[in-house]
Amino acid sequence: KQEVTQIPAALSVPEGENLVLNCSFTDSAIYNLQWFRQDPGKGLTSLLLIQSSQREQTSGRLNASLDKSSGRSTLYIAASQPGDSATYLCAWGWGGYNKLIFGAGTRLAVHP
Amino acid sequence: KAGVTQTPRYLIKTRGQQVTLSCSPISGHRSVSWYQQTPGQGLQFLFEYFSETQRNKGNFPGRFSGRQFSNSRSEMNVSTLELGDSALYLCASSFWVEETQYFGPGTRLLVL
Repeated sequence: KQEVTQIPAALSVPEGENLVLNCSFTDSAIYNLQWFRQDPGKGLTSLLLIQSSQREQTSGRLNASLDKSSGRSTLYIAASQPGDSATYLCAWGWGGYNKLIFGAGTRLAVHP
Repeated sequence: KAGVTQTPRYLIKTRGQQVTLSCSPISGHRSVSWYQQTPGQGLQFLFEYFSETQRNKGNFPGRFSGRQFSNSRSEMNVSTLELGDSALYLCASSFWVEETQYFGPGTRLLVL
C-alpha cells in the first residue's frame, strides 16, 4: 500500500524562524512530488513540483528537495511570516497518470 | 487566465438522494482529477479524466461516477448518498500528465 507520512503533524513558531517540513513515502517508484498549501476551508495551492529526475526546486522563500533513495522530501521555508500559516501537504504522483497520493499534512501556525 | 472553477460551492442533501458536481478546468487543460477530503481520511483520489477518457479510478464504490466532456469540463455524480459522503470535493486540472495540478476551491457537500 502506498503511503505518505508527514512530520510534524503540527508546528507553531514565532515569526522569522526557518522551518523544515518533512514528507516520507513508501514507494520509490514515484514519478514526481508536489507540495501544496491549504488555507482553512479552501482548495489547494500548488507550491512546488519536483520531478523524480530532479533533486530540488526553489520558489522565493521556499525550497523543496527530493531524495528518492531514502523516500524523503523536505520543504524548507525561510524567514517564516504569519501569512505562511496554513496546512502544508505533500503528494506523490504516479508515472503516466495525474493521480496524487497525499500525506495528512503539517498544520503550521506562525505567530507575530 | 481564470483558475479552476467548481459549482456549486455548497450543497446540502439528504440520505438516498443523488448529487452532481461540476468542474471547469483552466482553459487549455485536458486533464481533470477529482479528490474527496474528509477530516478522518484526508485527501483521497477519486478518478482522473484525460480527453474524455477515465484513466484511473480510486478505491470508491460504484455510487461515485464521473465524466468529462469534449470541452474538458467534468462532472462527478454520487448516487444514493450516505452520511459518510459528507466531504469537500476538489477537482484539479493540468495541461498534460505528470505536470503541476491546479486545484479549484471545492464543493462542500453535507449529507443529512
